Amino acid sequence: GAVVSQHPSWVICKSGTSVKIECRSLDFQATTMFWYRQFPKQSLMLMATSNEGSKATYEQGVEKDKFLINHASLTLSTLTVTSAHPEDSSFYICSASTGNQGKNIQYFGAGTRLSVL
Amino acid sequence: DAKTTQPPSMDCAEGRAANLPCNHSTISGNEYVYWYRQIHSQGPQYIIHGLKNNETNEMASLIITEDRKSSTLILPHATLRDTAVYYCIVRLNRDDKIIFGKGTRLHILP
Repeated sequence: GAVVSQHPSWVICKSGTSVKIECRSLDFQATTMFWYRQFPKQSLMLMATSNEGSKATYEQGVEKDKFLINHASLTLSTLTVTSAHPEDSSFYICSASTGNQGKNIQYFGAGTRLSVL
Repeated sequence: DAKTTQPPSMDCAEGRAANLPCNHSTISGNEYVYWYRQIHSQGPQYIIHGLKNNETNEMASLIITEDRKSSTLILPHATLRDTAVYYCIVRLNRDDKIIFGKGTRLHILP
């Protein structure tokens, strides 16, 4: 299947700093990417939909000024957690859709584990 | 809210077929059934999807009932590496978001 690369896989930062997470579709172009967050023992929760060349669409309750999303190209979307605090510590996962008619499959990155001290 | 209902957990003996059920009684005519799994501390992995016909690939088989209100994912010969949370998802076949439910935690027993 298609490959989605996420970087970094693990990051530790101090409270108040910002962290950027990259999501790349390696062998296909993705006009739409998605960002999820997952807390321990819980399911994935959709944060936002990232559209190439336009503003992201955030789910209810997700602060757009805190979680900045940029989708500048068809193969790259970034999520920046601004002024991170310990409660932002979580597992962040991105996905990208192949968008092929008849086989519209979302492929997921391996995830980024964020620990805010 | 997720449109599917799955048992919270299941056990299966190694080497046996694992049959994971999913109810999606409110599925609409143009919605597909997708299955993903998430192995601990990894991103979800696509397994299979279908509309109304049964589907098979190198990983699994998907059996969809004639009324499309339920489906079963079959892992023909389960191994310890199949231990994961399995998610059944109903969605349109387009660039649409996935809403994850709680899934089924499958334990493969040696």
